[in-house]
Amino acid sequence: NAGVTQTPKFRVLKTGQSMTLLCAQDMNHEYMYWYRQDPGMGLRLIHYSVGEGTTAKGEVPDGYNVSRLKKQNFLLGLESAAPSQTSVYFCASCRTGGIYEQYFGPGTRLTVT
Amino acid sequence: GEDVEQSLFLSVREGDSSVINCTYTDSSSTYLYWYKQEPGAGLQLLTYIFSNMDMKQDQRLTVLLNKKDKHLSLRIADTQTGDSAIYFCAESSNGTASKLTFGTGTRLQVTL
Repeated sequence: NAGVTQTPKFRVLKTGQSMTLLCAQDMNHEYMYWYRQDPGMGLRLIHYSVGEGTTAKGEVPDGYNVSRLKKQNFLLGLESAAPSQTSVYFCASCRTGGIYEQYFGPGTRLTVT
Repeated sequence: GEDVEQSLFLSVREGDSSVINCTYTDSSSTYLYWYKQEPGAGLQLLTYIFSNMDMKQDQRLTVLLNKKDKHLSLRIADTQTGDSAIYFCAESSNGTASKLTFGTGTRLQVTL
């Protein structure tokens, strides 16, 4: 099992450009999440999904959109990138029930100039 | 909303014990977690404690929970250089275990 994978690993964007980050999991998990990690601020939840075809806003959703068309994939879109979106983005997934352990991808480092 | 606080940095000598502290605000949290992030990697679950427990021990790790003070701690015995990482405390948000609020993370530096 590959677990949770993220594409791409690194990206540099100019202000105003758009891009999509792809997250894929092969564990048949129901829940998927997108976080951003910034120095001194820990992880903040951007959007999440509790199942295929559903999405919900997290703590910092502005400037981002998401889609969960297939259970194994969760896409994060930036329509018009801003320097404030420079961050490391992590995707995670977890199964329903039990202790709700979240499994994380390796991260995408995004720089917006 | 929920808030989870941690100190940002801790330095210990190899072989000593490390204690990483965390305070949280959501009294309805079902589980509280400790995640570990090694350099350049995502987070991995290290250990967790159910909210009706006071203590949990797992090999070199001891988790203490004080629900009255909403205080959680992680003790690592015989700290090794391989324990150098960022440690995140997390609580389940609004009593929903599927959504977590993470602390700011504590960077543990282990010196020789």
